[in-house]
Amino acid sequence: KNEVEQSPQNLTAQEGEFITINCSYSVGISALHWLQQHPGGGIVSLFMLSSGKKKHGRLIATINIQEKHSSLHITASHPRDSAVYICAVPSGGSNYKLTFGKGTLLTVNP
Amino acid sequence: EAGVTQSPTHLIKTRGQQATLRCSPISGHTSVYWYQQALGLGLQFLLWYDEGEERNRGNFPPRFSGRQFPNYSSELNVNALELEDSALYLCASSLGDRGSSPLHFGNGTRLTVT
Repeated sequence: KNEVEQSPQNLTAQEGEFITINCSYSVGISALHWLQQHPGGGIVSLFMLSSGKKKHGRLIATINIQEKHSSLHITASHPRDSAVYICAVPSGGSNYKLTFGKGTLLTVNP
Repeated sequence: EAGVTQSPTHLIKTRGQQATLRCSPISGHTSVYWYQQALGLGLQFLLWYDEGEERNRGNFPPRFSGRQFPNYSSELNVNALELEDSALYLCASSLGDRGSSPLHFGNGTRLTVT
């Protein structure tokens, strides 16, 4: 089973700051997911990546397959970015049979 | 395009009862996934349905079961409810299990077992 570690668990930032959330996993994978969960429970898939870097607006996700590590960056953070960010990796048999990290609670203050 | 819809939003049951949760995937999506988010345990994979068949299941007892209908909607049944089944149950859909199509999540059903 793939073990997924996220850091930090909690992160408080001021509006405008550059944010980095890290994710490490133990077993080689085909792709890694970054998810965003807002209070109330709804989850949005931010990225699914298997190599290199992906960018969507102010969000950037990178992955280093050899080092089994991924990072999620948020540039020019905004209070609406406040959410839990979850890293997830496939655990065998399916791209979406996922093992999830415990999540990073991000709070961005105005 | 309508997103993934789940019903009911909230469900309150008594220990020992059965719960039925429903999910309608995005039109054209054939794969449906169920996940459980229990307090203190985080998100866990429950079940995967594709083309009407159960393809894989997570580490959950057999009283967690479900099915997928010909229109690709899905139902999750939890029998003999236990207090620890109280959780947010999330359904997600995708175009298929291969490739890089993103997962689309519903807003979840919050099940409370008393």
